[in-house]
Amino acid sequence: GAGVSQSPSNKVTEKGKDVELRCDPISGHTALYWYRQSLGQGLEFLIYFQGNSAPDKSGLPSDRFSAERTGGSVSTLTIQRTQQEDSAVYLCASSLVADTGELFFGEGSRLTVL
Amino acid sequence: GENVEQHPSTLSVQEGDSAVIKCTYSDSASNYFPWYKQELGKRPQLIIDIRSNVGEKKDQRIAVTLNKTAKHFSLHITETQPEDSAVYFCAATPGLSFGAGTTVTVRA
Repeated sequence: GAGVSQSPSNKVTEKGKDVELRCDPISGHTALYWYRQSLGQGLEFLIYFQGNSAPDKSGLPSDRFSAERTGGSVSTLTIQRTQQEDSAVYLCASSLVADTGELFFGEGSRLTVL
Repeated sequence: GENVEQHPSTLSVQEGDSAVIKCTYSDSASNYFPWYKQELGKRPQLIIDIRSNVGEKKDQRIAVTLNKTAKHFSLHITETQPEDSAVYFCAATPGLSFGAGTTVTVRA
């Protein structure tokens, strides 16, 4: 595709429900990153993939968070039993190869947990 | 991801003056250091990057310096303009963790 695509763009859910956020990277980009950004805050690293492998999962806040990437393309970030503190914008980015070049960010998925 | 610290958190400068933002990292294996600019309501965009085999890189009014021995790198913006007002983030490999960000305000 022309750019990194994320869906949904907005998600409102009730506390305790599970949510799935999807990221479709730029075609041919082997690296994919997930970040979380709360209002007025910085970019919190969550996880990154090189191909289908996740060399670094250290940023996932708790075991309620998981991510997978299949076929070296689309990635899904899943948050189980959502809490109010999970409310944030979840940004996905891709690059040609991990750790060597420009990250291209998607528009983000804004998650609101009531 | 790598642990990256960024200072200052806010920076206000008079138009035409210079702005300097500093970042430190801890992993001696880090070899790629990009800087991103995020304007209000928009996604971050790369403005300049530097690799570990280079000590300095310039692109018009923007420059980045790297001191591998001290494990720090800095962003320099000269002749600041109102459109430079934004949040700036540094990052370092592995994993491209970002610093906490610096909100730069250029006063006209």
